[in-house]
Amino acid sequence: EPEVTQTPSHQVTQMGQEVILRCVPISNHLYFYWYRQILGQKVEFLVSFYNNEISEKSEIFDDQFSVERPDGSNFTLKIRSTKLEDSAMYFCASTGTRQNIQYFGAGTRLSVL
Amino acid sequence: AQKVTQAQTEISVVEKEDVTLDCVYETRDTTYYLFWYKQPPSGELVFLIRRNSFDEQNEISGRYSWNFQKSTSSFNFTITASQVVDSAVYFCALSEFSNTGNQFYFGTGTSLTVIP
Repeated sequence: EPEVTQTPSHQVTQMGQEVILRCVPISNHLYFYWYRQILGQKVEFLVSFYNNEISEKSEIFDDQFSVERPDGSNFTLKIRSTKLEDSAMYFCASTGTRQNIQYFGAGTRLSVL
Repeated sequence: AQKVTQAQTEISVVEKEDVTLDCVYETRDTTYYLFWYKQPPSGELVFLIRRNSFDEQNEISGRYSWNFQKSTSSFNFTITASQVVDSAVYFCALSEFSNTGNQFYFGTGTSLTVIP
């Protein structure tokens, strides 16, 4: 069964460092998403991406964040200068059509020290 | 305002008991989707069910059943004869229609513990 793949599963970084979280969406999907889940809290929408551009973003997705689809398979989330409060689980998701189910990756746990 | 409310933060049941997880949503759209996801201790989000706003028929899948009622804006999830493996956090989510992809609004989750 096709799945969304995220790497790494756990990333530890120092405050102020840049991190790139990587995702490989399901191959024929067109819509891509990043979500964040702070430990013990709900899953929060960050950004959606369609047709090589951001289609929606939340208040959380400020100038420190950026997304990119550098090639035909990867979808990345970059945090330019990490803060302690960026520590969370980050989920990538993809869907084939607007109405279709969003399939989530297993997540990347980001720990900012 | 919360778009998805899961009032039950934590529930504990004894194995084989039935348990219902509540979900109340809020939207002005006439076309929307409702979902339930399971998040086991390992952390991934596992899709359980999707319902569109035009289909109020209840659904049963094995020990799982869902009760969608537009009149009360609720989409409740029942596990029959619960098992220890059902222990997880369950999230209800709402997806509103958008031309450029659907943003999901998640509830705060209900942590279910099934005691052997």
